[in-house]
Amino acid sequence: DGGITQSPKYLFRKEGQNVTLSCEQNLNHDAMYWYRQDPGQGLRLIYYSQIVNDFQKGDIAEGYSVSREKKESFPLTVTSAQKNPTAFYLCASSIKVGAEQFFGPGTRLTVL
Amino acid sequence: AQTVTQSQPEMSVQEAETVTLSCTYDTSESNYYLFWYKQPPSRQMILVIRQEAYKQQNATENRFSVNFQKAAKSFSLKISDSQLGDTAMYFCAFILISNFGNEKLTFGTGTRLTIIP
Repeated sequence: DGGITQSPKYLFRKEGQNVTLSCEQNLNHDAMYWYRQDPGQGLRLIYYSQIVNDFQKGDIAEGYSVSREKKESFPLTVTSAQKNPTAFYLCASSIKVGAEQFFGPGTRLTVL
Repeated sequence: AQTVTQSQPEMSVQEAETVTLSCTYDTSESNYYLFWYKQPPSRQMILVIRQEAYKQQNATENRFSVNFQKAAKSFSLKISDSQLGDTAMYFCAFILISNFGNEKLTFGTGTRLTIIP
């Protein structure tokens, strides 16, 4: 089946630790995105990538890092510099930037 | 910067009735797309409907239709014959289309819709 997968579904982290969230797509999409969702708020863009080996900061990039070494994969690292990392994280992809985006099932990150 | 406003945090309607969710946006540009996404309790984001700003005809997808008023910058979603499976958060979203390739999807804060049996 074509689609976007995110793993793990639930993730727990101790304060001060870095953690990496996985996002893989087999839709042959060029563009990929990471969003953060907090209660009572819409989705906010963390990073996006238009093509392999290229990515840009979104609206709330501080404390996060990404890589795009393969077209299919766009992992997100939540670093210890992120002050309030507990949130629901959604990955998305689109055939190109500007086209409709398709979302993965999300990862719930909790910092203990 | 573009903004998207959903003024109804919560709504509820009886099953089989029709409900309209409101969305307004702010932009000075003329070339953009608008979307409605649905997020059920599973939290999977699902595209419901899409509207290109250059099209005058309102988009329709089965029971879902939009009322796109470009001059008023309004983009409401109408759900007809509502079903229990329509219970979800609904997000309105906007994306500007440019030649620079740096378009970003901007979301509203969402409307929680509950369909009552």
